[in-house]
Amino acid sequence: GQQLNQSPQSMFIQEGEDVSMNCTSSSIFNTWLWYKQDPGEGPVLLIALYKAGELTSNGRLTAQFGITRKDSFLNISASIPSDVGIYFCAGQLLLSTGNQFYFGTGTSLTVIP
Amino acid sequence: DAGVIQSPRHEVTEMGQEVTLRCKPISGHNSLFWYRQTMMRGLELLIYFNNNVPIDDSGMPEDRFSAKMPNASFSTLKIQPSEPRDSAVYFCASSLGVAGETDTQYFGPGTRLTVL
Repeated sequence: GQQLNQSPQSMFIQEGEDVSMNCTSSSIFNTWLWYKQDPGEGPVLLIALYKAGELTSNGRLTAQFGITRKDSFLNISASIPSDVGIYFCAGQLLLSTGNQFYFGTGTSLTVIP
Repeated sequence: DAGVIQSPRHEVTEMGQEVTLRCKPISGHNSLFWYRQTMMRGLELLIYFNNNVPIDDSGMPEDRFSAKMPNASFSTLKIQPSEPRDSAVYFCASSLGVAGETDTQYFGPGTRLTVL
């Protein structure tokens, strides 16, 4: 099936630093989604992007839908310890039989106080 | 608003036993997805339904796995017989699922399955 290339696989940063992660695909997606998963919980939606070129912020988080519709990035500014977790990107394809979602392999973020 | 509800949250069973996982999607959502998450393989789509009809079950590992959606507010994932390699966290997710329109997927809290 479809595979999204998400990088980096893991990050270790100092509290206060900015973080950047991205996803690329060989397919064109209609929607890009970014999720965060805490240990023992399900992925929680952070940001949804619906238009090529769209730049959306949610607090310290900023994400962009690439112009080619084949990529997206997520930035976290001034990281804090509670940002620790696994971040997933997902792309949505429009289908006549409903909509299909494809997930990246995740970026594990560790914030060192 | 209630999100996606899954039960049980944890299940420990012995090899060979039948396991049934349950999911209630967000009201009004037409699409429902079952995923399995392990350290080795990450998040894998098992099956998804649209308007209660299975659309893609190519991710279902083998005949021991089956999923049903008898109505718009309930779905089950059954493993019979269970094996230790089935141990994983199983997530249910739902989305509006209107064909041809942009969509967003919401996850339940997951069921952590351990097969001894």
